[in-house]
Amino acid sequence: DIQLTQSPSSLSASVGDRVTITCRASQYIGSSLNWYQQKPGKAPNLLIYATSSLQSGVPSRFSGSGSGADFTLTISSLQPEDFATYYCQQFYNTFLITFGQGTRLEIK
Amino acid sequence: EVQMVESGGGLVKPGGSLTLSCAVSRYAFSKGWMTWVRQAPGKGLEWVGRIKTAREGGTTDYAAPVKGRFTISRDDSENTLYLQMNSLKIEDTAMYYCATDLVDFYYWGQGTLVTVSS
Repeated sequence: DIQLTQSPSSLSASVGDRVTITCRASQYIGSSLNWYQQKPGKAPNLLIYATSSLQSGVPSRFSGSGSGADFTLTISSLQPEDFATYYCQQFYNTFLITFGQGTRLEIK
Repeated sequence: EVQMVESGGGLVKPGGSLTLSCAVSRYAFSKGWMTWVRQAPGKGLEWVGRIKTAREGGTTDYAAPVKGRFTISRDDSENTLYLQMNSLKIEDTAMYYCATDLVDFYYWGQGTLVTVSS
């Protein structure tokens, strides 16, 4: 299985901060990585697909980068509605999809 | 707007069975892969498995923890996805979500809760 390790597991930040979450794969996965946001009691929401493509309707303050085994999700200027849990997901091995363990972003 | 509505969750004893449904509307259901994802209380997301289109043979893939116990199927005439769960374990307790699958999961249902407890 391809393991995904997100860091940090939790993060406190303030409105207006720039935040970066990283996702490291246990092996090469090319650009086969997506990012999701999940708010309490809700289904996840796709933010970024294929490492760096912004899903339609997602604010441009969200961006993704990386390749190979190291990836980042950046929020350029945190807004109140961005406080949530974020997950990366790989699809390099399409037969066995895996998610990172999640990063909980909290208000400082 | 695409709608995906899961149903069938509930309380079941260890070793029991349950079948979840996911009714999909306003989406080209028969042309797309479909996936199940679960989330144990207070935990992260876990991919359960997927089913490809009938044109691709309706091939299924499963995560190791559920392989051999869970079966995913689809009824394209009813635009409905199913998850049959047998030999349920306490660790299968989770919210179960269906999602459209283009190797990214864009449309999701609201989830249905499965609790396995004696």
